[in-house]
Amino acid sequence: QVQLVQSGAEVKKPGASVKVSCKASGYTFTRYDINWVRQATGQGLEWMGWMNPNSGYTGSAQKFQGRVTMTRDTAISTAYMELSSLRSEDTAVYYCVRVDGAVDFWGQGTLVTVSS
Amino acid sequence: DIQMTQSPSSLSASVGDRVTITCRASQGIRNELAWYQQKPGKAPKRLIYAASSLQSGVPSRFSGSGSGTEFTLTISSLQPEDFATYYCLQHNNYPPLTFGGGTKVEIK
Repeated sequence: QVQLVQSGAEVKKPGASVKVSCKASGYTFTRYDINWVRQATGQGLEWMGWMNPNSGYTGSAQKFQGRVTMTRDTAISTAYMELSSLRSEDTAVYYCVRVDGAVDFWGQGTLVTVSS
Repeated sequence: DIQMTQSPSSLSASVGDRVTITCRASQGIRNELAWYQQKPGKAPKRLIYAASSLQSGVPSRFSGSGSGTEFTLTISSLQPEDFATYYCLQHNNYPPLTFGGGTKVEIK
């Protein structure tokens, strides 16, 4: 069965960076895009960006351009999202999702807390 | 970018009620819309894809309709386990993906 398993919660100081991993299993990793979506506490879902695991091509929402980096290691079927220059407003749960047309599978989420 | 306007943002209903949630796209998206249910502390779960196709394992009381710019999620008879937040998602011009703002369904 398809699974996306993310790394654990992180606490970071303002200005730092965070890197979240997302290990895929149950399907061929390079066949479907991985996207990243975040959700602040009590708020809605916000799309951050996409990555084609086969080519490594990426793109992000304008809001995150210059701050987000999405990479992958195809040997271990793992995608990564790194967000830099963290501020308090980046405190949220970050989800990796598989896209097959729409989003069909979600990771369990990773809570990133930005606090001094 | 396409904007998705979801309404209402919240509603109160009783068990057994028929509930309807609407998403309106800022431009036509054919049938490239999905609906998700999210419970507190959990990742969203897909209910409907391609506007009206029921995800495997999802109860038949959930249904979706619409095409173009107006879409509806209907719960025909609300059950206790359906109290949650619901989101629409358009993927017509992916990337990007665009979510609606969400609808919180609460117990009356």
